[in-house]
Amino acid sequence: GESVGLHLPTLSVQEGDNSIINCAYSNSASDYFIWYKQESGKGPQFIIDIRSNMDKRQGQRVTVLLNKTVKHLSLQIAATQPGDSAVYFCAESSNTGKLIFGQGTTLQVKP
Amino acid sequence: DVKVTQSSRYLVKRTGEKVFLECVQDMDHENMFWYRQDPGLGLRLIYFSYDVKMKEKGDIPEGYSVSREKKERFSLILESASTNQTSMYLCASSMDTTEAFFGQGTRLTVV
Repeated sequence: GESVGLHLPTLSVQEGDNSIINCAYSNSASDYFIWYKQESGKGPQFIIDIRSNMDKRQGQRVTVLLNKTVKHLSLQIAATQPGDSAVYFCAESSNTGKLIFGQGTTLQVKP
Repeated sequence: DVKVTQSSRYLVKRTGEKVFLECVQDMDHENMFWYRQDPGLGLRLIYFSYDVKMKEKGDIPEGYSVSREKKERFSLILESASTNQTSMYLCASSMDTTEAFFGQGTRLTVV
């Protein structure tokens, strides 16, 4: 069945360093991938997405990398700031629009 | 801006009660979702609806049902609430295979 997983439940980084959050997915038919950020007491918020015809996409301070060969997705955050502390989820979707989430990685930014 | 509104932020219900969680979106999205979020388990899909009166089971539909009589509204129903349904419930909506927008969540406690 479908599953989306993140490699580490918690990631701790120093302020100013780069963060890399990883995710593995199992459904080869998935063609759309999204990263969400969830702050305490709020619903998940969209960060960046990527379609399966791409292997890299950049936003403001964030980059998503997609490796379809090994079914791996990563989120890179440059110059991590205290405001980046949150839980990060990857999600996958196929052409039905059904969206499946991974378990989440908690990013802790140390001052 | 897309707005997804869940009717309650906090609910306390008794075991055996029938519980309705309501969700409304204002962007004419075809897709709507109900997830529950528990510590260490991420977001798990309960039900997905891709059109009015159309629904598809997610990963954990047992003990739940849904209703989508109008495009903007997606209701989650707990037929007979149990303590293991104590959780954070998140509603989301999306257009086709694009990012989903989330509500603020409903924290349900069943006593």
